Amino acid sequence: SAVISQKPSRDICQRGTSLTIQCQVDSQVTMMFWYRQQPGQSLTLIATANQGSEATYESGFVIDKFPISRPNLTFSTLTVSNMSPEDSSIYLCSVEGRGGTSTDTQYFGPGTRLTVL
Amino acid sequence: QKEVEQDPGPLSVPEGAIVSLNCTYSNSAFQYFMWYRQYSRKGPELLMYTYSSGNKEDGRFTAQVDKSSKYISLFIRDSQPSDSATYLCAMTGSVLSGNTPLVFGKGTRLSVIA
Repeated sequence: SAVISQKPSRDICQRGTSLTIQCQVDSQVTMMFWYRQQPGQSLTLIATANQGSEATYESGFVIDKFPISRPNLTFSTLTVSNMSPEDSSIYLCSVEGRGGTSTDTQYFGPGTRLTVL
Repeated sequence: QKEVEQDPGPLSVPEGAIVSLNCTYSNSAFQYFMWYRQYSRKGPELLMYTYSSGNKEDGRFTAQVDKSSKYISLFIRDSQPSDSATYLCAMTGSVLSGNTPLVFGKGTRLSVIA
């Protein structure tokens, strides 16, 4: 399985500011995914980031609020923009499994715990 | 009706007990079923992966899928305190329809008491 690291591991931010979360993988992967995990809720996919193309956002998530970069096959960033307390959550990146599709398996990073005051 | 239903627990069992964790789902297109284990303040780690119906065993863990009932289970035999974690079920559709997102249950919090 891939080894995935995220920075920062946690942060406390003020309302109206932005935070960029970094995700680094130890091997080249085509597909990277960003999820949100709110207390008591299911893991929810924010967007899929393929290298060399625009990220694909799920219903309810927009690029202006969650811009994503994917400059190469081992790295991606997610920015949470103009934050409000409702954005307090754990943000997780994941990568595709062995078969190269999301239907195979996905491996997750340790997550970034964000608190917005 | 949510696509995936999972009882959030918490579930508390004595060490050595057999644990049964379950999810139901509504989308008959789901064909790939996964169980993830998430320790506190960690990301989910893949435990079991099953395609279509049937059983799969890995050590103390057994995953069952009953597509006719839209019901999946994870059994843990001889449970240990180190099994205390949140268990998330996840599923997705046929690869023939392209990459479809994983749909997760809310997770069941399990505590195994020594």
